[in-house]
Amino acid sequence: GNSVTQMEGPVTLSEEAFLTINCTYTATGYPSLFWYVQYPGEGLQLLLKATKADDKGSNKGFEATYRKETTSFHLEKGSVQVSDSAVYFCALKREGQGNLIFGKGTKLSVKP
Amino acid sequence: NAGVTQTPKFQVLKTGQSMTLQCAQDMNHEYMSWYRQDPGMGLRLIHYSVGAGITDQGEVPNGYNVSRSTTEDFPLRLLSAAPSQTSVYFCASSYSRRGGNTIYFGEGSWLTVV
Repeated sequence: GNSVTQMEGPVTLSEEAFLTINCTYTATGYPSLFWYVQYPGEGLQLLLKATKADDKGSNKGFEATYRKETTSFHLEKGSVQVSDSAVYFCALKREGQGNLIFGKGTKLSVKP
Repeated sequence: NAGVTQTPKFQVLKTGQSMTLQCAQDMNHEYMSWYRQDPGMGLRLIHYSVGAGITDQGEVPNGYNVSRSTTEDFPLRLLSAAPSQTSVYFCASSYSRRGGNTIYFGEGSWLTVV
């Protein structure tokens, strides 16, 4: 079946540290891949996306590259800030399907 | 821009009570859906709709009903609330089902069943 696996948290980093949150997927066909972010007490916001192999999504200093050969879409940021503290969700959407399949989420806490 | 609007934001129900979570979008989106978010489980699809008059079940549909009489509105009904339905509920919409179309989420409805 289709599924998304992402690293379990919580992840605690100091400000300006390098961030990687691993995400791998299992899917038939050629899914689109997404990262959503949820700040405390809020809904989900799209952070970035990639729709085909080797595409790189980027936004607000975050990046992720769609790697079909390793079925991965790892999220990276070179220097995190306290304001990046949130829960990050990796998700996939199959072509022709309107719904997302989510990973379980990774909570990130950034300390000053 | 209103986007996806959910009401209420917080609700406490007693076991056996019924209620409706409202969802409206003003983007003329074809596709709408409901998810629930539980600790350590990510988000799971409850029901979805590909257009007015068409609905279908997702991964966890039991205990919930939906209808889609207009393009804009997609309410979620709990007919007889149970403590297992304590969760955060998110409504979402997108223009179509095509691959990279962005799915937009409402701000969530926090429901507690006691």
